[in-house]
Amino acid sequence: EVQLVQSGAEVKKPGATVKISCKVSGYAFSDHYIHWVQQAPGKGLEWVGLVDPEDGERRYAEKFQGRVTMTADMSTQTAHMELSGLRYEDTAVYYCATRVDYWGQGTLVTVSS
Amino acid sequence: EIVLTQSPGTLSLSPGERATLSCRASQSVTTNYLAWYQQKPGQRPRLLIYGASSRATGIPDRFSGSGSGTDFTLTISRLEPEDFAVYYCQQYGRSLPWTFGQGTKVEIK
Repeated sequence: EVQLVQSGAEVKKPGATVKISCKVSGYAFSDHYIHWVQQAPGKGLEWVGLVDPEDGERRYAEKFQGRVTMTADMSTQTAHMELSGLRYEDTAVYYCATRVDYWGQGTLVTVSS
Repeated sequence: EIVLTQSPGTLSLSPGERATLSCRASQSVTTNYLAWYQQKPGQRPRLLIYGASSRATGIPDRFSGSGSGTDFTLTISRLEPEDFAVYYCQQYGRSLPWTFGQGTKVEIK
């Protein structure tokens, strides 16, 4: 059974950095890109970026360029997304996903002073 | 970047009625890499349709997808109480940025 299990909720102050994880099981980690998707409260889905676990290739949405870093650790079959310079508007649930059919449960990041 | 525009924003229908949701792309979607998701409050998106018209595993046959190029449709033939939710279309590809429509809320009339 394919599973993507994400780390727990985070509360951070403005300007801080958050790093969330997505542990994959049930398929060969290198076979598929890991995508990250943001969903702000009451809003729609917005693509943040992707990482290729096989070679580390990354692509980021222009909106997040310069603040986001995505990595993939083959030894632990875990992908990470780090977002720096947090702003109030970064408050959202962040999902990892692979292919289109497997999504993590989401990680709520709250930015609050 | 491909922009997806969904219509209507909200659809008010009664159980048993037919729902027709539209998704229009700003340019042709490669190889019909177009998906539809259902999302309920507090839940992750659930894949309904991929490749524009293929139902995902376990999805009831009252859900169907159609279309190609720039115009796509999700049809729910007879609404069940559990179908009232928000629906998103998405274009995807192995290494392409994903883009999503803004969503259509199907609410109980």
